[in-house]
Amino acid sequence: EDQVTQSPEALRLQEGESSSLNCSYTVSGLRGLFWYRQDPGKGPEFLFTLYSAGEEKEKERLKATLTKKESFLHITAPKPEDSATYLCAVQDYGQNFVFGPGTRLSVLP
Amino acid sequence: KAGVTQTPRYLIKTRGQQVTLSCSPISGHRSVSWYQQTPGQGLQFLFEYFSETQRNKGNFPGRFSGRQFSNSRSEMNVSTLELGDSALYLCASRVRGDTEAFFGQGTRLTVV
Repeated sequence: EDQVTQSPEALRLQEGESSSLNCSYTVSGLRGLFWYRQDPGKGPEFLFTLYSAGEEKEKERLKATLTKKESFLHITAPKPEDSATYLCAVQDYGQNFVFGPGTRLSVLP
Repeated sequence: KAGVTQTPRYLIKTRGQQVTLSCSPISGHRSVSWYQQTPGQGLQFLFEYFSETQRNKGNFPGRFSGRQFSNSRSEMNVSTLELGDSALYLCASRVRGDTEAFFGQGTRLTVV
């Protein structure tokens, strides 16, 4: 059974203080790993897809990386508007999609 | 390009009633998935439809059902509502099964 865990559960940063969020996964065969951002009361917003170990993707202050067992979402010099819950999900070759519990990020001005 | 549209946005129902939620996917997307999101359980997969056929199903009771129409629009139905069904129900559409999913804003269902 596919499993996804995320750490930390919650993270509080000062504006400009860089950090990383972790997504650890167990999957029968990884078809893709996805990162989403979710604001309160809204649907998740797609950020990145990673397909193979060693792959990296960047968007503004965010950079996602992938290894065979985990993925990291690095946030460089975050701003208050980066505050949200960040969700990680994996898809296997049976096209099953499993989400992690998320990391709640708060960036204080 | 219009995003995924879910209606209604908010709904209050009484225990024992049934409810139907609607989802219009992004134009050209043939896969529609439904998820239940609660504070305690996170995002849980309900089912996925592709070209009017249910392709995958999560671990939910038979009270939860869905369907997809020929224009890819999808509906989800929950019968005999229970208090525990209160949640944010999210719909996501994809071009096909192996691409990224784009989510709607969700329907907030409250069962009283």
